[in-house]
Order: sequence, then structure tokens, then C-alpha cells
Amino acid sequence: AQTVTQSQPEMSVQEAETVTLSCTYDTSESDYYLFWYKQPPSRQMILVIRQEAYKQQNATENRFSVNFQKAAKSFSLKISDSQLGDAAMYFCAYRRGKTSGSRLTFGEGTQLTVNP
Amino acid sequence: EPEVTQTPSHQVTQMGQEVILRCVPISNHLYFYWYRQILGQKVEFLVSFYNNEISEKSEIFDDQFSVERPDGSNFTLKIRSTKLEDSAMYFCASSEGGQTEAFFGQGTRLTVV
Repeated sequence: AQTVTQSQPEMSVQEAETVTLSCTYDTSESDYYLFWYKQPPSRQMILVIRQEAYKQQNATENRFSVNFQKAAKSFSLKISDSQLGDAAMYFCAYRRGKTSGSRLTFGEGTQLTVNP
Repeated sequence: EPEVTQTPSHQVTQMGQEVILRCVPISNHLYFYWYRQILGQKVEFLVSFYNNEISEKSEIFDDQFSVERPDGSNFTLKIRSTKLEDSAMYFCASSEGGQTEAFFGQGTRLTVV
């Protein structure tokens, strides 16, 4: 079974600074997708960024980028120029690639605080 | 921008009662999902639904749970006889294709008393 681990229950960052959230996963699959979701206090799950395992290039979405290390099974999220609105719980998630509509497996989450 | 909508936002029910949680997925999406999140814990998969049938379910999704797409727009989760431990946030999600990302609704907070 696939597992996703986020070893940082809490992180904090100063506004305008950069922070990196860690995620590791375990799978025997070669084809899969990785995601970061943000959950603000409203508790809605918002997709931040997605990475296909077959792509070597790291995904980037504006101030958000990932460091995808396939051999190490590591998928960290870097938030640059942190803003107060970035404060939220961040979840790393995995999905198998070959099976359509397969489940997302989530990590435990990292609570990010942004200090003004 | 299209979004997944869930109703109600909060439901309180007595233990043993049946509840139905409702979701309207994004209109051109074909894959539908239910997840739950017990307070302070990770988000857990319950079930996925495609082409009017369950495509995958977790061990949590036992005989007390059922899903239905009663018409062309709604997707429902029914819990037949609620238990205290069913108290959680329930998220509906949908995706356009099997390989595309899932978009989540705002969740329904279920409280069983």
C-alpha cells in the first residue's frame, strides 16, 4: 500500500520569506501523481500544485514550486515570498497513475503559520 | 469558475439516524469521490464512483455507507445508522478524467450526538 509521510506537524515563516514543507512517500508503482493541497481555516481543500512522476522537470505555480526527487521518493513544496494568506494546513497527496479515478492518499499535514 | 458544491455545510444528527450528504460535482466531470476528515486527522478516502457504479472503496466504506447519483447533477453519500465516530468533515470531489486532479467541495461537517 502507498503511504505518504509529512514529518513536520508545524512550520512557521516570516512574511516575504521562503519556506519548504517536506513530504516523503512510499510506492512500488512507477506511474503516479503527487499533489499539494492547501486547507485554510474554512477547511476547504484547494489544489496548490501537481507533479507527474514521469516528468523530470519540477512543477511551478507562481510562488509555489516543488522539489521532486523520484529516487528518494521525496516531494517538497517551496513557498516563496510568503504571504499572510498562505497560512493554512498543507497536505501532500499521492495517486496511482495507471488506474483511472484512483484514490488520493494524503499525508498527515503540516500547519503553516505566517508571521507578519 | 466552476466548483463542487456540498449541502448542508453543517448537519447535526442523533446516533442511529440516517443522514444523506449531497454534492453537485462540476458539470463536465465524470469521476466522483467522497473523503472524510476526522477533526485533527488526515483526509481519508471513502469511495470513488464512475459510470454509475463504485470503482473503488476503502475499508471505512462498510455496509452502513452507500452512494448514489440519483440524477444528472447530484451525487449523494448516505450513512444508514450513524455512530458517534462518524462525526467528521465529509468532502465530495470530482475530476474530469481519471488522470486529472480532483477538485473538492467546501465540505459538510457532520456531528453525531
